[in-house]
Amino acid sequence: DTGVSQNPRHKITKRGQNVTFRCDPISEHNRLYWYRQTLGQGPEFLTYFQNEAQLEKSRLLSDRFSAERPKGSFSTLEIQRTEQGDSAMYLCASSPRISGSGEQYFGPGTRLTVT
Amino acid sequence: AQSVTQLDSQVPVFEEAPVELRCNYSSSVSVYLFWYVQYPNQGLQLLLKYLSGSTLVESINGFEAEFNKSQTSFHLRKPSVHISDTAEYFCAVSVPSGGSYIPTFGRGTSLIVHP
Repeated sequence: DTGVSQNPRHKITKRGQNVTFRCDPISEHNRLYWYRQTLGQGPEFLTYFQNEAQLEKSRLLSDRFSAERPKGSFSTLEIQRTEQGDSAMYLCASSPRISGSGEQYFGPGTRLTVT
Repeated sequence: AQSVTQLDSQVPVFEEAPVELRCNYSSSVSVYLFWYVQYPNQGLQLLLKYLSGSTLVESINGFEAEFNKSQTSFHLRKPSVHISDTAEYFCAVSVPSGGSYIPTFGRGTSLIVHP
C-alpha cells in the first residue's frame, strides 16, 4: 500500500493526558499537512511541512498542539493536556513539491475521543 | 483570505436521478478549485479539480463540475447517481502562493442515494 497511513486509527484518552499521532506520507512526497475535522465540518488546516521544515504553524489551535517531522519522512502531532474539545478526527495529507495543482492525498485519519 | 460555502448540508436523491451539489467561494485572487469525496470510514479522495483552461472538468466516475467565475461557483453535477455515490463531498479552494497550497474546505454536503 503506497498511500498515506496514520496510526493509531482510534485513540481514547482521559482529559489531561498527552497523545501523539503518527503520519507516514507517500514516500516521494515532500510536503505534509495536518488537519482537524469535527463533526459536520470540513477539514481545518493546522500546520504543514516541506521536508523537515515546518513552514506554517500559526494555525495550530493552541500551544498544547505541536508537530514534528524530524527526518522529513513521517510526522507526529502531539496534543498535551487534552481537553474534551479536542475530540475530533485528525487528518494527515501529503503532496509532492511540484504537484502543479495543489491536490493532496489524505490518510484515513485518527479519531480522538477525550473522556 | 478565501472562503467556501456549501449551502446544502444534506442532499437526498433517488438512484438514477440527477444531482447537483452547490459550492460558492470568495477570493480576491485567482483560485484553484477542488472537489473531494469521503466515503464512510475512509480518507478524503480527490474527485476533480479546476486549475485553468476549460471551465468544465470531469471525473472518471461520471461527475462533472463547472467553474463559473462571474458567479464564483463550482457546482458538482452527475446526471444519474448510484447507491455507491453515497458519501460526503467537500468543495475546496486554494490560492497558489510561493509553491504552497493550503486549501480551505467547505463544511461538506452529505449525498444520500436511496434505492
